[in-house]
Amino acid sequence: DVKVTQSSRYLVKRTGEKVFLECVQDMDHENMFWYRQDPGLGLRLIYFSYDVKMKEKGDIPEGYSVSREKKERFSLILESASTNQTSMYLCASSLQGRRRQPQHFGDGTRLSIL
Amino acid sequence: QKEVEQDPGPLSVPEGAIVSLNCTYSNSAFQYFMWYRQYSRKGPELLMYTYSSGNKEDGRFTAQVDKSSKYISLFIRDSQPSDSATYLCAMSARGSARQLTFGSGTQLTVLP
Repeated sequence: DVKVTQSSRYLVKRTGEKVFLECVQDMDHENMFWYRQDPGLGLRLIYFSYDVKMKEKGDIPEGYSVSREKKERFSLILESASTNQTSMYLCASSLQGRRRQPQHFGDGTRLSIL
Repeated sequence: QKEVEQDPGPLSVPEGAIVSLNCTYSNSAFQYFMWYRQYSRKGPELLMYTYSSGNKEDGRFTAQVDKSSKYISLFIRDSQPSDSATYLCAMSARGSARQLTFGSGTQLTVLP
């Protein structure tokens, strides 16, 4: 069965802190994604990666960076956390293929910035 | 205008009802269509995946794609209280670097 694991379900941090969100998948998927989900705004893509050490900006990359040193792990970094980054963060992964493959999601990290 | 429009609801139905959830889209290049179910405080779970036009059935769930009308639907037969969740449509064009475009989700409650 597909398994995407996010390291924390709930996280509380302070303004200005550097925050790391970790995601691991065990399906040998090439593609990995970070989204944030906010009421009324839906899922918005922050960054994605289609290979180790590769990254692409999504729709809202400002204030975030990512790291993919190993195929199974994709980290989201909030360089200097701000209150407007309080949100639900979702990690997903998918296979590459000739046809677009569906994404599989983790259970999310609910992040509060105080 | 959003690329994908989805009525946010909320939608309440009695147990056993047939539920129809819909999305419209504007990008004619979309070829891959998905429906996700998201329970409260959980991540989205893939329900249905279809390529191009037509119908796909899986148990009580049927996904329909009408590319000529740029309209997709998810039907739930014999709805159960356990179907209460937010349903997200998602779609993608071949070769799209951004992968998926999501609807904003429809909140469904099935009343016992």
